[in-house]
Amino acid sequence: DVKVTQSSRYLVKRTGEKVFLECVQDMDHENMFWYRQDPGLGLRLIYFSYDVKMKEKGDIPEGYSVSREKKERFSLILESASTNQTSMYLCASSFAGLNQPQHFGDGTRLSIL
Amino acid sequence: AQSVTQPDIHITVSEGASLELRCNYSYGATPYLFWYVQSPGQGLQLLLKYFSGDTLVQGIKGFEAEFKRSQSSFNLRKPSVHWSDAAEYFCAVGPNQGGKLIFGQGTELSVKP
Repeated sequence: DVKVTQSSRYLVKRTGEKVFLECVQDMDHENMFWYRQDPGLGLRLIYFSYDVKMKEKGDIPEGYSVSREKKERFSLILESASTNQTSMYLCASSFAGLNQPQHFGDGTRLSIL
Repeated sequence: AQSVTQPDIHITVSEGASLELRCNYSYGATPYLFWYVQSPGQGLQLLLKYFSGDTLVQGIKGFEAEFKRSQSSFNLRKPSVHWSDAAEYFCAVGPNQGGKLIFGQGTELSVKP
């Protein structure tokens, strides 16, 4: 089975802190994704990566950056956390190819105080 | 523009009753379609997918979905709902660059005893 592991289930940080969310997949997937999930808004794509050191902006990249130094690891960075970034963050991965389903981690519920 | 609409934000059904969750999509070419389920506090799990061929697709947990090109729909069905089916359900469409999917806003399913 595919395993996508997010480093924390729950995280509480303060406004202005630099926050790192880590995601690791064990299936040698080429593609990795970061979403945020808010009630009534569904999943919104923040960033994605289709190869090591490659990254592409999604629909809501403002206030975030990402890092992919190794194929299995994709990190989401909140440069200076703000209260409006309180949300559920979901990481996903997939093989390259247009018909490949995405496999999700269990999510990180992040609260910014 | 590509989009996915799930018209029902919340549905309540009685245990043992049948279920249909609606999904309408807008996509310029032949779509790849997915249904995911999210149990409380968990990530998304793939229920089923449609790429081509038979328009009636079988998935896990007794779910099925039917692709209707003329109606741009991909509705999810289950003949008899169990209490454990209470969750949020997401429809998604692709393919897009880098394996991106477009997700609907989700339908929350409650099951009455």
